[in-house]
Amino acid sequence: KAGVTQTPRYLIKTRGQQVTLSCSPISGHRSVSWYQQTPGQGLQFLFEYFSETQRNKGNFPGRFSGRQFSNSRSEMNVSTLELGDSALYLCASSSGNPGNEQFFGPGTRLTVL
Amino acid sequence: QKEVEQNSGPLSVPEGAIASLNCTYSDRVSQSFFWYRQYSGKSPELIMSIYSNGDKEDGRFTAQLNKASQYVSLLIRDSQPSDSATYLCAPRGVMKTSYDKVIFGPGTSLSVIP
Repeated sequence: KAGVTQTPRYLIKTRGQQVTLSCSPISGHRSVSWYQQTPGQGLQFLFEYFSETQRNKGNFPGRFSGRQFSNSRSEMNVSTLELGDSALYLCASSSGNPGNEQFFGPGTRLTVL
Repeated sequence: QKEVEQNSGPLSVPEGAIASLNCTYSDRVSQSFFWYRQYSGKSPELIMSIYSNGDKEDGRFTAQLNKASQYVSLLIRDSQPSDSATYLCAPRGVMKTSYDKVIFGPGTSLSVIP
């Protein structure tokens, strides 16, 4: 069974631009969660999508948004990029059943200049 | 109080020793507990899941759970240099303000010295 895939793997943007990241979960999984990881803040939860609906949301500004498609693939968008948005963005795939494990993709390394 | 706390690192152990990683959590209704290993520059990899009080062994890894004490630990026996990584504790359950959210601890950095 194929694992979680994320594209692109690396991205360089400048302040003020916007970016869209993509995540394809494990086949059969319906939940996709997004995390931001920085050296100072650790792994921070952004949001979770399940069956095309946002089920959970972390404490990030509205510049961070996401969506999920009918095939469970998910996209995350960050508008008006700031230097502090430079981070590793990880998506995690899960069946969506309560308490089930999450499996991470390789991540997208975003650098904002 | 932080939702998930882990013993501060870095933790250094000699090769062949037992590494002990600890985690406490604040949400009393957490039902599932996961340990992830993350190598530098890589994404987290799930290494252990535990759902019931007691011990769960998988190869050199043993997870211990005590829900009454809100405590979960990971023991690594016969530590190898390849175990050098950051270990993340992740309880999962119904939180006060959201459903079935996973909250990650800050991680403990482990260094196994040859």
